[in-house]
Amino acid sequence: DSGVTQTPKHLITATGQRVTLRCSPRSGDLSVYWYQQSLDQGLQFLIQYYNGEERAKGNILERFSAQQFPDLHSELNLSSLELGDSALYFCASSVGGGAGETQYFGPGTRLLVL
Amino acid sequence: QQQVKQSPQSLIVQKGGISIINCAYENTAFDYFPWYQQFPGKGPALLIAIRPDVSEKKEGRFTISFNKSAKQFSLHIMDSQPGDSATYFCAAVGANTDKLIFGTGTRLQVFP
Repeated sequence: DSGVTQTPKHLITATGQRVTLRCSPRSGDLSVYWYQQSLDQGLQFLIQYYNGEERAKGNILERFSAQQFPDLHSELNLSSLELGDSALYFCASSVGGGAGETQYFGPGTRLLVL
Repeated sequence: QQQVKQSPQSLIVQKGGISIINCAYENTAFDYFPWYQQFPGKGPALLIAIRPDVSEKKEGRFTISFNKSAKQFSLHIMDSQPGDSATYFCAAVGANTDKLIFGTGTRLQVFP
């Protein structure tokens, strides 16, 4: 158990809908990262927050957004969902977010868009 | 754009054998190279990592070999066990960023 929690574990929704994925980092970790894992794209970095502020952006679509709250939990919002958004979404956390710090991954949320 | 290339895609090894997974990168700004292990239904977990100032790092049965001039690094699993059966991802991190750039993954199966 990494100490990172993600809810829900599974999510089934329809195209065009909007969903919110939630992540609670390990106690004391200030950085939260979101990754998408799909069969064709592999593991892709989406976005990173550090202590409430956006720090880095990766291959995140404009339909997706994220935020980190004062209690350091984070939410990833996916809107206007398409079939291709079906994937595993992982949240990871690290202490400070410095290069070379270990990132601890949660168990993921499996999203299925029908 | 795949910045870290990983091979093979899948690997079958007999118990007690050596498993070798290779990765190559293009961006010379990368300066931290972790390997992650992922079991079905779980998130990736850090296995071992190396910085380019050393050519080899060993932790138990797991060894990373690093060739800076060739921009290649590899994971060796000695005395492979059925419990090592998982998907392995190499990754790279740049000096001025924290984001992990992952390879495409290698599914390892170790048969008794």
